[in-house]
This record gives sequence, C-alpha cells and structure tokens, in this order.
Amino acid sequence: GQQLNQSPQSMFIQEGEDVSMNCTSSSIFNTWLWYKQDPGEGPVLLIALYKAGELTSNGRLTAQFGITRKDSFLNISASIPSDVGIYFCAGQAGTALIFGKGTTLSVSS
Amino acid sequence: DTGVSQDPRHKITKRGQNVTFRCDPISEHNRLYWYRQTLGQGPEFLTYFQNEAQLEKSRLLSDRFSAERPKGSFSTLEIQRTEQGDSAMYLCASSLPDVLTDTQYFGPGTRLTVL
Repeated sequence: GQQLNQSPQSMFIQEGEDVSMNCTSSSIFNTWLWYKQDPGEGPVLLIALYKAGELTSNGRLTAQFGITRKDSFLNISASIPSDVGIYFCAGQAGTALIFGKGTTLSVSS
Repeated sequence: DTGVSQDPRHKITKRGQNVTFRCDPISEHNRLYWYRQTLGQGPEFLTYFQNEAQLEKSRLLSDRFSAERPKGSFSTLEIQRTEQGDSAMYLCASSLPDVLTDTQYFGPGTRLTVL
C-alpha cells in the first residue's frame, strides 16, 4: 500500500542531544500526526497538526506541518533514555491514516 | 477515561484455523478503525466503521477477513482459514471527528502468529 517517505530509518544518539526526523509525500494531506510505538504496544499519539505551516510543541517535542502540505518534521530536544522507541509519521487526507516506515531512536546514557 | 482496549493481546494459531479479535473503543467515539502492522512497517489501514456501518474497506481486506460492529460499540475482526502471511499485529483505533479534526487513538494491538 501507499506509504510516506520517513527519514532517517534509525538514529543512535547520546542522552542530551537533539533529534530531528521528517516525512515527505507526493500527496497532499489535511492532517499530519506523529506517534511513538514501544515494542509490543500500539502507537501513542504525540502531536497532531491540522493546518499548513502550523508549528506545535508538546514538552520537548516540536512538530511542523509543511507549507506545501506534503511534508512534516518532528524535533526532540535534550533526549532522555525513555525517548527510545519507533517514531511514526502519519498523513491523513480522508479517513484512513497513511504511515511512514518509522524512525528507530536509540539513546545511550 | 480508559483508552482503546483489545483482546487477546497475543494469539498463536495453526494454519487453517479461524481466529477472532475484539476491540473496545474509547467511550463515545463513533468511529472505529482496524489496521495491520507487519515487522518493520508502519500500520496499514484495513477498514473502518461509523457507528455500526462499515464504510470503507482496503484492498488488503481479503474475503477471508470480516469485521463487525453490531451495536456501534465494540468491534470484532475475524480471519477465516488463517495463512502464515496473516501473521502480524492487528491494531484498532477510535476517534470522535468534528468539523476540522479526526484524531485516531490506538489500542495496544493483538499480535497474531500463524504456525
């Protein structure tokens, strides 16, 4: 099925570093969402973006809805060990969400 | 407020057997979605319900799959004559859409292993 281009595929960082990941699509979306998934669990919503150009923060997380409506990025500042997991972007044009393949984040202390 | 719940969390079955999964959405959420996630991939949409009506099905939902939401609350997903390729995490999500937003919240998933 259709998927978004999410990069990087994986990241290995030191505790305290900032992280940036992004998603691009050839299609326009009305909503962009970012989820985090731990092993064996379902995705947990981090940030939802509903307007082109919107910049939203949730604690140490900041995400933006690209002005072209075809991309989004997620930044995590001052990473901590519990940030470890797989981060997924998802775009929504109708009802179904279209997901990227995920960015696996590893944090060493 | 409890989140989306799914039962069972894990299911191991032999090829050819039928399996059924249950999803209980967040209270008052009128939309319920089923997704499938294989290893190393993001979730892929299968189907969704608005109240008790099944309004959309993906091409991924073969005729061996059937989903119901008889009273507009919980939903079941049945897979008949399971195949090894059905092994995946089956995720349920729910939402209460308004004019501008339709934010989906996911359950913990059911991990299916077909031997």
